[in-house]
Amino acid sequence: GESVGLHLPTLSVQEGDNSIINCAYSNSASDYFIWYKQESGKGPQFIIDIRSNMDKRQGQRVTVLLNKTVKHLSLQIAATQPGDSAVYFCAELQTGGFKTIFGAGTRLFVKA
Amino acid sequence: NAGVTQTPKFQVLKTGQSMTLQCAQDMNHEYMSWYRQDPGMGLRLIHYSVGAGITDQGEVPNGYNVSRSTTEDFPLRLLSAAPSQTSVYFCASRGIRQGLNEKLFFGSGTQLSVL
Repeated sequence: GESVGLHLPTLSVQEGDNSIINCAYSNSASDYFIWYKQESGKGPQFIIDIRSNMDKRQGQRVTVLLNKTVKHLSLQIAATQPGDSAVYFCAELQTGGFKTIFGAGTRLFVKA
Repeated sequence: NAGVTQTPKFQVLKTGQSMTLQCAQDMNHEYMSWYRQDPGMGLRLIHYSVGAGITDQGEVPNGYNVSRSTTEDFPLRLLSAAPSQTSVYFCASRGIRQGLNEKLFFGSGTQLSVL
């Protein structure tokens, strides 16, 4: 069925290194993808999005890559900082536009 | 702006009790939704609304009711609480006018325990 999933439940990186969080989706009709960051005790917050007519989009220290051939997207965080420690979710806005479906999340630990 | 406000932050219920989780937004968003978040899982969509008087089911609607009488408010009702409904509940909203980014704005959540 349609789903959005993540490859790894946890990721541990050294402060200053780059982080890469991966996500797979199964619905070929998906046309909009969003990354959210959730800090402990808070609701998710928007980080960056990408539409299916793009392969790459950059923000401040973050880059999202989309590979439609293998239905995969990734979130890259440059120079990871302790404040980046959180759970990261990829989400899919399905065609038709009213149901944002979330993956299980990846917990990022940043070691000082 | 306060954004999305959820009350209460914590709630403990006994099996069979009913209650309403409140959600209000002051951003004039047409779209509002409820998610539940269980440990080790992502957020699952319960119900959503695209405007006053319009609601629809999400992925896991059973055991929950919603209504949308105003643009600002979108309460979630548990009719007869069950232990399986122990979870953290998030309300989220966004605008749906053409050209808007479809990102969701989330409240801070309600942690519900059903004993």
